[in-house]
Amino acid sequence: EDQVTQSPEALRLQEGESSSLNCSYTVSGLRGLFWYRQDPGKGPEFLFTLYSAGEEKEKERLKATLTKKESFLHITAPKPEDSATYLCAVQAKSDFGNEKLTFGTGTRLTIIP
Amino acid sequence: DAGVTQSPTHLIKTRGQQVTLRCSPKSGHDTVSWYQQALGQGPQFIFQYYEEEERQRGNFPDRFSGHQFPNYSSELNVNALLLGDSALYLCASSWDRTRRPDYGYTFGSGTRLTVV
Repeated sequence: EDQVTQSPEALRLQEGESSSLNCSYTVSGLRGLFWYRQDPGKGPEFLFTLYSAGEEKEKERLKATLTKKESFLHITAPKPEDSATYLCAVQAKSDFGNEKLTFGTGTRLTIIP
Repeated sequence: DAGVTQSPTHLIKTRGQQVTLRCSPKSGHDTVSWYQQALGQGPQFIFQYYEEEERQRGNFPDRFSGHQFPNYSSELNVNALLLGDSALYLCASSWDRTRRPDYGYTFGSGTRLTVV
């Protein structure tokens, strides 16, 4: 069974204080690892898909990296508007492409002005 | 370009009742998946519909059923509601792999279901 573990559960940072969120996973053949941002009462918003170990993707102050066992979401010089819950999910390889996503429980990030 | 639209946004039901939630996928998407998200948890996969058929199913009882229409929109039905069914129900749409590369699922804002 596919599993995703995210740490820490919650993180409070001062504005401008860089840090990283961790996502450890086990999956029977990885097709993709996804990062989403979720604001309270809203649906997850797509950030990145990573497909193979060594891959990196960046968007504004966010950078996602992938190894064979975990992924990191690095946040550089965060601003208060980066406050949200960050979800990691894995998708296994299958005979058809749109295999289900298995999510972690998320990291709740708070950026203090 | 409209994203994924879900209705209603909020719903309160009594134990034992039945509920129907609705989802219109993003324009151009043909696959719809439903997820249940309890408070403080990550989304849990319920099932996925493609070409009007259930293609995958998660570990949810038969009280949870669904339907996809020819225009790709979808419904989630839950019978005999339990208190534990209270959650945010999310609809996600995507392209089928055989037609488009995968850029991630697009989620709606969800329906908040409260069972009392």
